[in-house]
Amino acid sequence: AQSVTQLDSHVSVSEGTPVLLRCNYSSSYSPSLFWYVQHPNKGLQLLLKYTSAATLVKGINGFEAEFKKSETSFHLTKPSAHMSDAAEYFCVVSDGKGRRALTFGSGTRLQVQP
Amino acid sequence: GAVVSQHPSWVICKSGTSVKIECRSLDFQATTMFWYRQFPKQSLMLMATSNEGSKATYEQGVEKDKFLINHASLTLSTLTVTSAHPEDSSFYICSARVPAGISTDTQYFGPGTRLTVL
Repeated sequence: AQSVTQLDSHVSVSEGTPVLLRCNYSSSYSPSLFWYVQHPNKGLQLLLKYTSAATLVKGINGFEAEFKKSETSFHLTKPSAHMSDAAEYFCVVSDGKGRRALTFGSGTRLQVQP
Repeated sequence: GAVVSQHPSWVICKSGTSVKIECRSLDFQATTMFWYRQFPKQSLMLMATSNEGSKATYEQGVEKDKFLINHASLTLSTLTVTSAHPEDSSFYICSARVPAGISTDTQYFGPGTRLTVL
């Protein structure tokens, strides 16, 4: 069984300040982990993914995430927030086996203040 | 990159009618597609896994006779909501998994279809 916990349902930052969106996971297997972003009434866009290679993963739009097995975490960070980063962010885990279904976290809404 | 389209992007229908939603992988062949449902301000819930040439696999609690899935080709899966009722109103999102050998765990998502049942 696998699960994902996004520790914050809502995060608010000022433009130009760092972003930290927290995610913890649980998986019976070596997982693949993803961060997706969803803008209002839009589909999901892949930000980055971890698939057992480098533990520090760089994604699009300046985002990155670090896989920490000892802490079962996969937190998403960005050094400087832009207004366009305001959206819903989902941490996602795949068990890497069988049909490789994805399990979504509950989401974190990022608000960026001017 | 891998592009997935959905049609229609939104639909309004009367209670009791059926609605078909199409999901297409535009620049790759997808042996497996997934259908998700998202209620307002909630996360995505997997409804079913659609496999080309075989029956879909439904998640627990999803009525297979109500949500008919057909994966007729390597680039097209359809979801038909039969005898729709207001409680079926939701945002339906499909995804397609990139074939093995490229990136086996990455799914690319369609833009979603908003269904409103009156």
